[in-house]
Amino acid sequence: NAGVTQTPKFRILKIGQSMTLQCTQDMNHNYMYWYRQDPGMGLKLIYYSVGAGITDKGEVPNGYNVSRSTTEDFPLRLELAAPSQTSVYFCASSLFRNEQYFGPGTRLTVT
Amino acid sequence: KQEVTQIPAALSVPEGENLVLNCSFTDSAIYNLQWFRQDPGKGLTSLLLIQSSQREQTSGRLNASLDKSSGRSTLYIAASQPGDSATYICAVSFQGGSEKLVFGKGMKLTVNP
Repeated sequence: NAGVTQTPKFRILKIGQSMTLQCTQDMNHNYMYWYRQDPGMGLKLIYYSVGAGITDKGEVPNGYNVSRSTTEDFPLRLELAAPSQTSVYFCASSLFRNEQYFGPGTRLTVT
Repeated sequence: KQEVTQIPAALSVPEGENLVLNCSFTDSAIYNLQWFRQDPGKGLTSLLLIQSSQREQTSGRLNASLDKSSGRSTLYIAASQPGDSATYICAVSFQGGSEKLVFGKGMKLTVNP
């Protein structure tokens, strides 16, 4: 049981490039989330999903897109990367609104 | 605005002390509250989850309490050890909103041998 896995662990992007952050969970959780963590700040919700085919915006969705075609996977797409998207990105999952389990994170730098 | 506050931002103590970490929130209508631990460069590890109907939860040397009327939760760590050094983060799921957690900024704990 791997829990929540994220790839890649690190990435450097140039301004204007695009990429997809991968997230997979093997706990059969219906809820999945993407957060970003900036230094000295609390985690902010980017997008979340309450089940396959259902996604919704969080607090800071601009510049990101998500899809949820399966229960297990919840990829986060960055289009036209900007320096403001330099951050650490965490994926999490839960069974309904219960305890959330986090992945190890992806550290992204946009230069 | 629904907010979660953790004060102080950092704490340094000698090994063996019993610790109380504080978390305050602005709206008493909560769904649940979760305490996490984060080690440097790592993800968040869930420590305890308290449902709105509960007053406290215990796991080993950890005890978390919830007082909705005063908008407060405390995480009690008994007999602290150097291995407890980490950032502790409080997060609240509020009623009536989306399924999101609102996170505090965390408190960095250092336990000195």
